[in-house]
Amino acid sequence: SQQGEEDPQALSIQEGENATMNCSYKTSINNLQWYRQNSGRGLVHLILIRSNEREKHSGRLRVTLDTSKKSSSLLITASRAADTASYFCATDGNRDDKIIFGKGTRLHILP
Amino acid sequence: DSGVTQTPKHLITATGQRVTLRCSPRSGDLSVYWYQQSLDQGLQFLIQYYNGEERAKGNILERFSAQQFPDLHSELNLSSLELGDSALYFCASRRAHTGELFFGEGSRLTVL
Repeated sequence: SQQGEEDPQALSIQEGENATMNCSYKTSINNLQWYRQNSGRGLVHLILIRSNEREKHSGRLRVTLDTSKKSSSLLITASRAADTASYFCATDGNRDDKIIFGKGTRLHILP
Repeated sequence: DSGVTQTPKHLITATGQRVTLRCSPRSGDLSVYWYQQSLDQGLQFLIQYYNGEERAKGNILERFSAQQFPDLHSELNLSSLELGDSALYFCASRRAHTGELFFGEGSRLTVL
């Protein structure tokens, strides 16, 4: 079964607004990563947060991790049309080398 | 450009046939991951190799097999193909110290 589950499945917002996506997972992890996928293309790594970190920033991206709730959130501030894509969280368990992805959130930025 | 190369980009074949997908990882990356993405679905982890050895296995069908060669390129073999095997197949290599994955552009398989 999938380790990570993103919420919502789809999100449409106006350009300039902030977009928040959530990810929940089931077992303990070493780290959690977020990736972006433009339609039909390969995934692109956005940010990695380790299990001992609570928050991380990269440009307009802010990721939080709450290991007690087994959840993470990705915030994209001041969204742009180019942010339209699917976003996936991926977890790296501490028992093996598997990296498991959720089903993703489809983000659509409206002009 | 991620540095990961996958061939072929597109492949159309018939049920019952066998195909081989190829992946060349980024220079210096020893670890290769294979994923299957069906329409509007997330990525299903299939299998992972590290320096030629199988390290982790996911929901890979018995009809599928993979290997990683001494030059670190990897191949995913899909046999006795069924309509439901139509999907995008991604290969990714993993940076050793940071853990992030670098994805190829995928091989789109259509089984008719």
